Amino acid sequence: QVQLVQSGAEVRKPGSSVKVSCKTSGDSFRNFAINWVRQAPGQGLEWMGAIIVVFNKVYYSQKFQDRLSITADTPTNTAYMELRGLRYEDTALYYCARIDCSDGNCFPGPGLDRWGQGTPVTVSS
Amino acid sequence: YVLTQPPSLSVAPGKTARLTCGGSNIGTESVEWYQQRPGQAPVLIMYYDSERPSGIPERFSGSNSGNTATLTINGVEAGDEADYYCQVWDSRSLQVMFGGGTKLTVL
Repeated sequence: QVQLVQSGAEVRKPGSSVKVSCKTSGDSFRNFAINWVRQAPGQGLEWMGAIIVVFNKVYYSQKFQDRLSITADTPTNTAYMELRGLRYEDTALYYCARIDCSDGNCFPGPGLDRWGQGTPVTVSS
Repeated sequence: YVLTQPPSLSVAPGKTARLTCGGSNIGTESVEWYQQRPGQAPVLIMYYDSERPSGIPERFSGSNSGNTATLTINGVEAGDEADYYCQVWDSRSLQVMFGGGTKLTVL
């Protein structure tokens, strides 16, 4: 069973950057689209962006496209999300989640079926 | 592309819960549904409108037509109390979109 393990909690000052990692188990990383979804305290799910690993194709939410970078390192089966210019309202739990694109479909596709444990990011002065 | 979900729904145990997700011509899109219990990561419970991942009980079913997608939970149990989110891929803006979520309360 594929597992996604994320890096630990982060505290950052406004204006700084944060980089969160998401390591997947197993050997099918290239068949995945890794998504990043965040959830502010007491709020709903917010999609930030995704990378189709085999093509290194990245999609970004219009809300974040100017300060977000998503990358993937296939030798280590690890995806990364870097958010720059942090604001207080970026305080949230950040999840990575995979789409298994083995059937040839990522977007639209069979949904985000494995999620990481979440990484809390706190923006505080 | 905006997905609209009612913020809350209350259902008695054993009854049927119908959770809706509204969107313009959503019937032409593929809809996914997620269940999120308090303090846990979301879990995919429906994909391609009406396909259940392995391990999801048959009590859960999905449909999608016109401007509304529906997640139906038959024989609601106390353990079904959670937040439920619908999701689509917006092919115009090339973004994943989530609905605002519905909090299901089991009375």
